[in-house]
Amino acid sequence: AQRVTQPEKLLSVFKGAPVELKCNYSYSGSPELFWYVQYSRQRLQLLLRHISRESIKGFTADLNKGETSFHLKKPFAQEEDSAMYYCALPREGSYIPTFGRGTSLIVHP
Amino acid sequence: EPEVTQTPSHQVTQMGQEVILRCVPISNHLYFYWYRQILGQKVEFLVSFYNNEISEKSEIFDDQFSVERPDGSNFTLKIRSTKLEDSAMYFCAKTPGDGYTFGSGTRLTVV
Repeated sequence: AQRVTQPEKLLSVFKGAPVELKCNYSYSGSPELFWYVQYSRQRLQLLLRHISRESIKGFTADLNKGETSFHLKKPFAQEEDSAMYYCALPREGSYIPTFGRGTSLIVHP
Repeated sequence: EPEVTQTPSHQVTQMGQEVILRCVPISNHLYFYWYRQILGQKVEFLVSFYNNEISEKSEIFDDQFSVERPDGSNFTLKIRSTKLEDSAMYFCAKTPGDGYTFGSGTRLTVV
């Protein structure tokens, strides 16, 4: 069965520091991976997906099939990046996303 | 892109009572989903609903749960006899769109 692992519950950095939020997955086949973000008191929203290969709000994520990872990176964190970040991939045999448990990113001034 | 609206934002209910959570209003959308998030845990898929039928459900979605679209726009999740462990945030989502568009959630507290 598919699995998404986000090993860090909390990541705390200072403004301007690089950020890497880890995501590892297990999936039979070629998955489509996503990162979702949830800012305080706001709804879950799509941040980026690996097939689009774009950078959103300075974040990028590269799918590494060898390491089965899809880590989210940003070279210089900003305070407004503080949020919960969820890695997701579809349930096997489906297109419906399964979420990791999330990583809380706190960016200190 | 129209947002997904959920009501109520917070509901408190006694154990054993029935609750109905709503996504309102939604029009011209075919695909709907319910997810839940127990405090401190991950977002879990419950059920997907396509063309007025359940298209997929998880092992969590047992006979206690049901979904319907009673009037062609509202999309509801009913929990028949609530248990303490049903306390969670419940999110409605829809597609198509850019990824899944989620509602702001209903916080259900069972006491």
